[in-house]
Amino acid sequence: GQQVMQIPQYQHVQEGEDFTTYCNSSTTLSNIQWYKQRPGGHPVFLIQLVKSGEVKKQKRLTFQFGEAKKNSSLHITATQTTDVGTYFCAGRAGAGNMLTFGGGTRLMVKP
Amino acid sequence: GAGVSQSPSNKVTEKGKDVELRCDPISGHTALYWYRQSLGQGLEFLIYFQGNSAPDKSGLPSDRFSAERTGGSVSTLTIQRTQQEDSAVYLCASSFAYSGANVLTFGAGSRLTVL
Repeated sequence: GQQVMQIPQYQHVQEGEDFTTYCNSSTTLSNIQWYKQRPGGHPVFLIQLVKSGEVKKQKRLTFQFGEAKKNSSLHITATQTTDVGTYFCAGRAGAGNMLTFGGGTRLMVKP
Repeated sequence: GAGVSQSPSNKVTEKGKDVELRCDPISGHTALYWYRQSLGQGLEFLIYFQGNSAPDKSGLPSDRFSAERTGGSVSTLTIQRTQQEDSAVYLCASSFAYSGANVLTFGAGSRLTVL
């Protein structure tokens, strides 16, 4: 079945440093979504990418979908303590198929 | 309601007892997922309902776990003869099913503690 892998599993950064998490799928995806889960909270939708090579930005967050639509990345510029949490990618392999989540990357930011 | 509602928010039970967890999805959402999340871990897929199709039960960890979705709306996850390793937060999420509108909205979760 479809597998979605994320690396790294954990990342500690100093406030102000950049952070990147990578997501790789075993199959071509029709779209990919990113979610953020704050400590003690539940996952909340951030963004969806649909097109090959698509790049979207949300303030300090940059999301990219690979040309082959099998990988994606989330890059945070100049991390802040409010960025702390676990970031999950989730991919859909085709119309009508369910979403498969990656294992998540837990980001910790030292003030 | 405006969001995904889960109950109970917290449940403490004794080993061997049965528990039922309820999820009330957003009205009109035909897709519903159950996940389990142990402390500090990722989302473990349990089961997926989509409209009137047969559910994808491939993530259920044992035959002690079952789920149903009545009338395409409310879902109940049942754990029979609970074990200590069942302790976790059980998250429900729902969405529309068609491409372009399949963003998941999660409930706040049901925290299960098995003593």
